[in-house]
This record gives sequence, C-alpha cells and structure tokens, in this order.
Amino acid sequence: DIQMTQSPSSLSASVGDRVTITCRASQGISNNLAWYQQKPGKVPNLLIYAASTLQSGVPSRFSGSGSGTDFTLTISSLQPEDVATYYCQQYGVVPPGTFGQGTKLEIK
Amino acid sequence: EVQLLESGGGLVQPGGSLRLSCAASGFTFITYDMNWVRQAPGKGLEWVTGIDDMGRITYYADSVKGRFTISRDNSKNTLYLQMNDLRAEDTAVYYCAKHKSLGTILNTCYFDYWGQGTLVTVSS
Repeated sequence: DIQMTQSPSSLSASVGDRVTITCRASQGISNNLAWYQQKPGKVPNLLIYAASTLQSGVPSRFSGSGSGTDFTLTISSLQPEDVATYYCQQYGVVPPGTFGQGTKLEIK
Repeated sequence: EVQLLESGGGLVQPGGSLRLSCAASGFTFITYDMNWVRQAPGKGLEWVTGIDDMGRITYYADSVKGRFTISRDNSKNTLYLQMNDLRAEDTAVYYCAKHKSLGTILNTCYFDYWGQGTLVTVSS
C-alpha cells in the first residue's frame, strides 16, 4: 500500500517565520493531495486540496505545492493561532485517504 | 448548516462487536461519498473506510479489512460502521467525514466536514 511520510515530525518556529512542511508519497499520486490542520482537542480542518487549492475561509498565508511524490505546505508568516498538528492525505490511489503521520508545529 | 453526529461508541471486550452510526443533516446526503477516520489517543489520523454516494463502492484500510463493514441508509441520512472482532489497537475516536467534492470516490477522498467523533475502547 501507499505510504505518506511527513517531515519534520515536529518543529518550533517564531511568530512571523516562514514554515515549510514536506510530505512524500511512496508512489506517484499526481496532484491528489490534501492538507489538514488539527488544533488540540478539535477536529481536523481542511486547508488545501488538489495539492495547491486553498479551501474557502483559510488564510492566504497557507499555500501548497507539488505533484507526483513530493509536496509542501508553507505558512508564509507564522501566527500564534497556527499552533497545531498538520497532516497530509493522499487520494487517487487505492486505498484512498491515507494520511501522513503528522507534523506538530509549536511557537518558539 | 452541515452536521454530522456520531453515536454508538463505548467499551467493548476484545473479540466483540459494535456498530457506529453517523446522522447527517444540512446537505443532500445521497449526493456525497462518506468515510470513517479514526484517531487513537495521542496519535495521528488513520483513514478507515469509505463508501460512495449510492453505497455500491467501498474501500477499506488493510488494518480493518474483513472485520469492519461500512454502509449507509440514504432514506435515513445515516452512515454506519459495523465493527467485528475488535482488537485493542482499534481503540480510538471514530469520526465520520464528508467528501468535499462530487465525483468518483477515489478521486475526491478529502473531507470538508467532520463529526465530533465517538470513542471506542476495546479492553477486557
């Protein structure tokens, strides 16, 4: 089965920093990738789908890129409310819906 | 307003069975593919299973294949998850999740609405 690997597993950054999270698929998935944000005690929130399409209502400081096997989620200027765990998810390859292991983002 | 309300969780012994339900409202349920996603305590998200809008196509994670069955009743706007032969590693909060987009289940398996989850604990 397909594997999704995120890096780093955790990171600490300062307010205003540019933050990048990477997700790698074990096989090509075209642009069939979504990103979610999960704040502590909350349900996941869809940020990006089709690798780079911003979900309605998501701040423009979030962006996604990539195709094939390598993808990135970028936060252009980190805000305190961005503290959360971020997950990538592939679709388009059976079984669909496979998540990465998550990246925990904290404020330095 | 879209609402997804899970129920049916609880404590069950290893080898036991449980059926989860997810009552949907605020959207045309029959139009959208649906899924179950779980999260073990302190762990990451794990996609479990998905079903297409008409209930004809289903997919399962290897970890539950042969033990779990997803189904839906479009007349009742309800999604189900029948869980048999439960194991300690099935302990998790189980979320139902709605596909954002219309299309084939395989190519639209990302979710814009999630329920609040129901906790399943497998323990003797």
